[in-house]
Amino acid sequence: ETGVTQTPRHLVMGMTNKKSLKCEQHLGHNAMYWYKQSAKKPLELMFVYSLEERVENNSVPSRFSPECPNSSHLFLHLHTLQPEDSALYLCASSQDSAAVSYNEQFFGPGTRLTVL
Amino acid sequence: GQNIDQPTEMTATEGAIVQINCTYQTSGFNGLFWYQQHAGEAPTFLSYNVLDGLEEKGRFSSFLSRSKGYSYLLLKELQMKDSASYLCAASDSNYQLIWGAGTKLIIKP
Repeated sequence: ETGVTQTPRHLVMGMTNKKSLKCEQHLGHNAMYWYKQSAKKPLELMFVYSLEERVENNSVPSRFSPECPNSSHLFLHLHTLQPEDSALYLCASSQDSAAVSYNEQFFGPGTRLTVL
Repeated sequence: GQNIDQPTEMTATEGAIVQINCTYQTSGFNGLFWYQQHAGEAPTFLSYNVLDGLEEKGRFSSFLSRSKGYSYLLLKELQMKDSASYLCAASDSNYQLIWGAGTKLIIKP
Protein backbone atom coordinates (compact mmCIF):
# COMPACT_ATOMS: atom_id res chain seq x y z
CA GLU A 1 0.00 0.00 0.00
CA THR A 2 1.68 3.17 -1.20
CA GLY A 3 -0.90 5.64 0.08
CA VAL A 4 -1.74 6.74 -3.46
CA THR A 5 -4.60 5.04 -5.26
CA GLN A 6 -5.70 5.33 -8.86
CA THR A 7 -8.84 4.23 -10.67
CA PRO A 8 -9.46 2.66 -13.03
CA ARG A 9 -6.40 0.43 -13.34
CA HIS A 10 -7.16 -0.32 -16.96
CA LEU A 11 -9.13 1.69 -19.51
CA VAL A 12 -9.91 1.11 -23.16
CA MET A 13 -11.57 3.95 -25.01
CA GLY A 14 -12.37 5.07 -28.51
CA MET A 15 -11.14 8.33 -29.94
CA THR A 16 -14.53 9.98 -29.53
CA ASN A 17 -15.08 8.95 -25.92
CA LYS A 18 -14.79 11.09 -22.81
CA LYS A 19 -13.40 9.47 -19.69
CA SER A 20 -11.72 10.53 -16.45
CA LEU A 21 -8.87 9.13 -14.42
CA LYS A 22 -8.96 9.52 -10.66
CA CYS A 23 -6.17 9.73 -8.14
CA GLU A 24 -6.41 9.95 -4.36
CA GLN A 25 -3.60 10.32 -1.83
CA HIS A 26 -3.93 9.48 1.84
CA LEU A 27 -0.56 10.89 2.92
CA GLY A 28 -1.47 14.46 3.79
CA HIS A 29 0.74 15.80 1.00
CA ASN A 30 0.40 19.23 -0.59
CA ALA A 31 1.53 18.47 -4.12
CA MET A 32 0.18 16.07 -6.75
CA TYR A 33 1.44 15.14 -10.20
CA TRP A 34 0.31 13.48 -13.41
CA TYR A 35 2.92 11.60 -15.46
CA LYS A 36 2.74 9.74 -18.74
CA GLN A 37 4.89 6.61 -19.02
CA SER A 38 5.43 5.09 -22.47
CA ALA A 39 7.48 2.00 -23.12
CA LYS A 40 11.23 2.60 -23.03
CA LYS A 41 10.79 6.34 -22.61
CA PRO A 42 11.41 8.59 -19.60
CA LEU A 43 8.54 9.58 -17.41
CA GLU A 44 6.89 12.66 -18.90
CA LEU A 45 5.64 15.19 -16.37
CA MET A 46 2.23 16.47 -17.48
CA PHE A 47 0.82 18.56 -14.64
CA VAL A 48 1.77 19.62 -11.13
CA TYR A 49 -0.62 20.92 -8.50
CA SER A 50 0.47 22.51 -5.25
CA LEU A 51 -2.19 23.30 -2.68
CA GLU A 52 -4.82 22.77 -5.36
CA GLU A 53 -3.29 25.31 -7.74
CA ARG A 54 -1.70 24.27 -11.01
CA VAL A 55 1.99 25.18 -10.99
CA GLU A 56 3.25 23.28 -14.01
CA ASN A 57 1.81 22.46 -17.41
CA ASN A 58 4.39 20.98 -19.72
CA SER A 59 2.83 21.80 -23.10
CA VAL A 60 0.26 19.05 -22.79
CA PRO A 61 -2.41 18.91 -25.51
CA SER A 62 -5.77 20.35 -24.52
CA ARG A 63 -7.42 16.94 -24.93
CA PHE A 64 -5.99 16.29 -21.44
CA SER A 65 -7.64 18.41 -18.77
CA PRO A 66 -6.62 18.16 -15.11
CA GLU A 67 -8.75 18.99 -12.10
CA CYS A 68 -7.73 19.23 -8.46
CA PRO A 69 -10.77 19.85 -6.25
CA ASN A 70 -8.77 19.46 -3.02
CA SER A 71 -5.29 18.45 -1.92
CA SER A 72 -6.22 14.78 -1.71
CA HIS A 73 -7.84 14.29 -5.10
CA LEU A 74 -6.64 14.74 -8.65
CA PHE A 75 -8.46 13.97 -11.88
CA LEU A 76 -7.37 13.78 -15.49
CA HIS A 77 -10.24 14.30 -17.91
CA LEU A 78 -9.74 12.79 -21.34
CA HIS A 79 -11.55 13.60 -24.59
CA THR A 80 -10.92 12.95 -28.28
CA LEU A 81 -7.66 11.14 -27.57
CA GLN A 82 -5.36 9.71 -30.22
CA PRO A 83 -3.90 6.19 -30.39
CA GLU A 84 -0.46 7.62 -29.54
CA ASP A 85 -1.89 8.66 -26.17
CA SER A 86 -1.99 5.01 -25.17
CA ALA A 87 0.35 4.70 -22.18
CA LEU A 88 0.52 4.19 -18.44
CA TYR A 89 -0.67 7.29 -16.60
CA LEU A 90 0.86 7.65 -13.17
CA CYS A 91 -0.23 9.89 -10.37
CA ALA A 92 2.20 10.90 -7.63
CA SER A 93 2.21 13.07 -4.55
CA SER A 94 4.87 14.75 -2.42
CA GLN A 95 4.99 16.85 0.69
CA ASP A 96 5.69 20.01 -1.30
CA SER A 97 6.18 20.78 -4.96
CA ALA A 98 9.09 23.18 -4.93
CA ALA A 99 11.85 24.79 -2.94
CA VAL A 100 12.45 21.53 -1.16
CA SER A 101 15.66 19.76 -1.98
CA TYR A 102 14.49 16.39 -0.73
CA ASN A 103 11.13 15.93 -2.37
CA GLU A 104 10.39 12.24 -2.55
CA GLN A 105 7.41 11.44 -4.72
CA PHE A 106 5.03 8.61 -3.90
CA PHE A 107 3.40 6.98 -6.90
CA GLY A 108 0.11 5.30 -7.49
CA PRO A 109 -0.11 2.03 -9.46
CA GLY A 110 -1.15 3.82 -12.64
CA THR A 111 -3.92 3.54 -15.18
CA ARG A 112 -3.08 1.54 -18.30
CA LEU A 113 -4.85 3.45 -21.07
CA THR A 114 -5.48 2.06 -24.54
CA VAL A 115 -6.97 4.32 -27.21
CA LEU A 116 -8.47 2.50 -30.16
CA GLY B 1 19.02 20.67 -22.74
CA GLN B 2 18.42 18.43 -19.77
CA ASN B 3 19.17 14.77 -20.14
CA ILE B 4 19.51 11.55 -18.19
CA ASP B 5 21.31 8.53 -19.62
CA GLN B 6 21.17 5.01 -18.27
CA PRO B 7 21.49 1.60 -19.93
CA THR B 8 18.30 0.15 -21.37
CA GLU B 9 18.75 -3.37 -20.04
CA MET B 10 21.14 -5.39 -17.90
CA THR B 11 21.33 -9.06 -16.98
CA ALA B 12 22.86 -10.48 -13.80
CA THR B 13 22.96 -13.75 -11.89
CA GLU B 14 21.21 -14.48 -8.62
CA GLY B 15 23.57 -13.90 -5.70
CA ALA B 16 25.90 -11.64 -7.69
CA ILE B 17 26.48 -7.88 -7.65
CA VAL B 18 25.33 -5.43 -10.32
CA GLN B 19 26.01 -1.74 -10.84
CA ILE B 20 23.57 0.43 -12.78
CA ASN B 21 25.06 3.69 -14.02
CA CYS B 22 23.36 7.01 -14.63
CA THR B 23 24.76 10.23 -16.07
CA TYR B 24 22.88 13.47 -15.94
CA GLN B 25 22.93 16.96 -17.42
CA THR B 26 20.57 19.41 -15.78
CA SER B 27 20.10 23.13 -15.32
CA GLY B 28 21.14 23.28 -11.70
CA PHE B 29 21.17 20.27 -9.45
CA ASN B 30 19.34 19.50 -6.24
CA GLY B 31 19.92 15.82 -5.82
CA LEU B 32 19.52 12.48 -7.52
CA PHE B 33 16.87 9.84 -6.91
CA TRP B 34 16.69 6.14 -7.68
CA TYR B 35 13.34 4.38 -7.94
CA GLN B 36 12.46 0.73 -8.48
CA GLN B 37 9.50 -0.24 -10.64
CA HIS B 38 8.26 -3.80 -10.96
CA ALA B 39 6.28 -4.59 -14.09
CA GLY B 40 2.73 -3.30 -13.80
CA GLU B 41 3.39 -1.58 -10.48
CA ALA B 42 4.14 1.90 -9.15
CA PRO B 43 7.70 3.20 -8.94
CA THR B 44 8.93 3.08 -5.35
CA PHE B 45 11.66 5.19 -3.80
CA LEU B 46 15.05 3.58 -3.21
CA SER B 47 17.55 6.34 -2.50
CA TYR B 48 18.43 10.02 -2.63
CA ASN B 49 21.92 11.55 -2.94
CA VAL B 50 22.75 15.23 -2.88
CA LEU B 51 26.33 15.13 -1.59
CA ASP B 52 29.24 13.28 -3.17
CA GLY B 53 29.83 9.80 -1.91
CA LEU B 54 28.22 6.50 -1.19
CA GLU B 55 24.95 5.97 0.66
CA GLU B 56 24.37 2.41 1.84
CA LYS B 57 20.99 0.95 2.67
CA GLY B 58 21.03 -2.78 3.19
CA ARG B 59 21.76 -4.63 -0.05
CA PHE B 60 21.40 -1.42 -2.06
CA SER B 61 23.90 1.44 -2.24
CA SER B 62 23.88 4.62 -4.30
CA PHE B 63 26.85 6.75 -5.28
CA LEU B 64 27.05 10.32 -6.53
CA SER B 65 29.77 12.42 -8.13
CA ARG B 66 28.48 15.94 -8.74
CA SER B 67 31.60 17.04 -10.59
CA LYS B 68 31.18 14.20 -13.09
CA GLY B 69 27.39 14.30 -13.32
CA TYR B 70 27.38 10.62 -12.48
CA SER B 71 25.60 8.25 -10.17
CA TYR B 72 25.31 4.52 -9.79
CA LEU B 73 23.07 2.11 -7.97
CA LEU B 74 24.80 -0.97 -6.58
CA LEU B 75 22.76 -4.06 -5.80
CA LYS B 76 24.42 -6.86 -3.82
CA GLU B 77 23.40 -10.46 -3.17
CA LEU B 78 20.90 -10.27 -5.99
CA GLN B 79 17.57 -11.99 -5.53
CA MET B 80 15.01 -12.94 -8.16
CA LYS B 81 12.65 -10.32 -6.74
CA ASP B 82 15.17 -7.63 -7.76
CA SER B 83 14.12 -8.14 -11.36
CA ALA B 84 12.58 -4.76 -12.15
CA SER B 85 13.23 -1.47 -13.89
CA TYR B 86 15.42 1.03 -12.06
CA LEU B 87 14.72 4.69 -12.74
CA CYS B 88 17.24 7.46 -12.25
CA ALA B 89 15.93 11.01 -11.77
CA ALA B 90 17.80 14.28 -11.17
CA SER B 91 16.26 17.28 -9.46
CA ASP B 92 16.97 20.49 -11.38
CA SER B 93 17.22 24.11 -10.27
CA ASN B 94 13.41 24.30 -10.03
CA TYR B 95 13.28 21.07 -8.00
CA GLN B 96 11.58 19.34 -10.91
CA LEU B 97 12.59 15.74 -11.52
CA ILE B 98 14.21 14.92 -14.85
CA TRP B 99 13.77 11.20 -15.47
CA GLY B 100 15.80 8.61 -17.29
CA ALA B 101 14.08 5.95 -19.39
CA GLY B 102 14.90 3.28 -16.84
CA THR B 103 17.15 0.23 -16.80
CA LYS B 104 15.43 -3.13 -16.98
CA LEU B 105 17.33 -5.56 -14.78
CA ILE B 106 16.91 -9.25 -15.51
CA ILE B 107 18.07 -11.69 -12.84
CA LYS B 108 18.86 -15.24 -13.92
CA PRO B 109 19.10 -18.24 -11.56
